[in-house]
Amino acid sequence: QSALTQPASVSGAPGQSITIFCTGTSSDVGGSDYVSWYQQHPGRAPKLMIFGVYNRPSGLSNRFSGSKSGNTASLTISGLQADDEADYYCSSYTSAKSLAFGGGTKVTVL
Amino acid sequence: QVQLVQSRSEAKEAGASVRVSCQTSGMTFLNHDITWVRQAPGQGLEWMGWIGTISGKTEYAQKVQGRVTMTTDTSTNTAYMDLRSLTFDDTAVYICARSFSSGRLDVLDIWGQGTMVTVSS
Repeated sequence: QSALTQPASVSGAPGQSITIFCTGTSSDVGGSDYVSWYQQHPGRAPKLMIFGVYNRPSGLSNRFSGSKSGNTASLTISGLQADDEADYYCSSYTSAKSLAFGGGTKVTVL
Repeated sequence: QVQLVQSRSEAKEAGASVRVSCQTSGMTFLNHDITWVRQAPGQGLEWMGWIGTISGKTEYAQKVQGRVTMTTDTSTNTAYMDLRSLTFDDTAVYICARSFSSGRLDVLDIWGQGTMVTVSS
């Protein structure tokens, strides 16, 4: 059982927007702004997409955006494209000085 | 170009130990901490722990505490992860990742290619 809760799957048509939620507790997501999101294509290493809740690494498409409310963080992908089909993981620094990951969400582009 | 290149796949018997290496290049090693994550077949990411490259300080996940040791060699800019008393449940891809900057343990911006460790009974 993962420390952070994500939906197992989310789908959308090309061009649409989808949002993935990541629910934790006040000891992790709700307790700091140290929330990140990673994209992982099959057989590949994870790729950093969002850090510090809202921030995108240099060069990353602005179609990806992050936010947080209370103990729940979210990743929104707008203008869905075929290459966005992948697994997405949220992570959060915790009060126990550890890193918690969500169970992962499979994004399917219909 | 920043790269984290890991050692090759390993096949071990239950009870044995394994060492996975993570050689870095194209970066100032001491400016970044190293995190180890594993991913069992078909499963999600699991944080194993991290090591400060300057301090050598480590934090380990409770699940592997007592069986894992993370170290670095600053002369070769390489990080190591040793896992002892392997069981079938340790079968996974082990991945090293660097932190965005020293102390920002929550931001893993460059990842290794992963090392498959298979444990048989």
